[in-house]
Amino acid sequence: AQSVAQPEDQVNVAEGNPLTVKCTYSVSGNPYLFWYVQYPNRGLQFLLKYITGDNLVKGSYGFEAEFNKSQTSFHLKKPSALVSDSALYFCAVSKTGANNLFFGTGTRLTVIP
Amino acid sequence: GAVVSQHPSWVICKSGTSVKIECRSLDFQATTMFWYRQFPKQSLMLMATSNEGSKATYEQGVEKDKFLINHASLTLSTLTVTSAHPEDSSFYICSAVMGFTYEQYFGPGTRLTVT
Repeated sequence: AQSVAQPEDQVNVAEGNPLTVKCTYSVSGNPYLFWYVQYPNRGLQFLLKYITGDNLVKGSYGFEAEFNKSQTSFHLKKPSALVSDSALYFCAVSKTGANNLFFGTGTRLTVIP
Repeated sequence: GAVVSQHPSWVICKSGTSVKIECRSLDFQATTMFWYRQFPKQSLMLMATSNEGSKATYEQGVEKDKFLINHASLTLSTLTVTSAHPEDSSFYICSAVMGFTYEQYFGPGTRLTVT
């Protein structure tokens, strides 16, 4: 079985400070890992993915995530937060590629001006 | 590119009636689409996988006779909630996979309220 844990329901960070949104996963075999962002009244938007290769992946809007196999983590990071980054962030895992995504419960990020 | 639309964006219906939700990939063809359900302050739960030209694959616990899915073309999948009840009230989201990108592109969702 596969699972995703986002241990923080809410993350607050001051504008301009670095941000981290945590995600750990459990899946048999090699994981496919994703981050999505959901803005109010809008669909989920793809941010980035890890399939294979370099453990540090860069995505949209200046976000990046690091795949850590030993810690089974895929934390989302950004060096300098913007107020416009405030949204709901979902981590997802699959063992079959784009199909059968299993989502975490989401972390609400609030960037304080 | 990679835009997915849903219609309607919100709908209110009476208990016992049926409601159809459309999901369209606007600028790409999608052989596979997915239907999710999202409860307030909760994650997305996969309901079913919709494949063009074949029967949908439902997740465990999802009633296929209640949630009818039709993937009529490479750009359209529909979800029909039959004999809706108040407990079916939820936010329904579809997504589509573009080619071999390993990326699902999501629609904006449809909020269903059954009274």
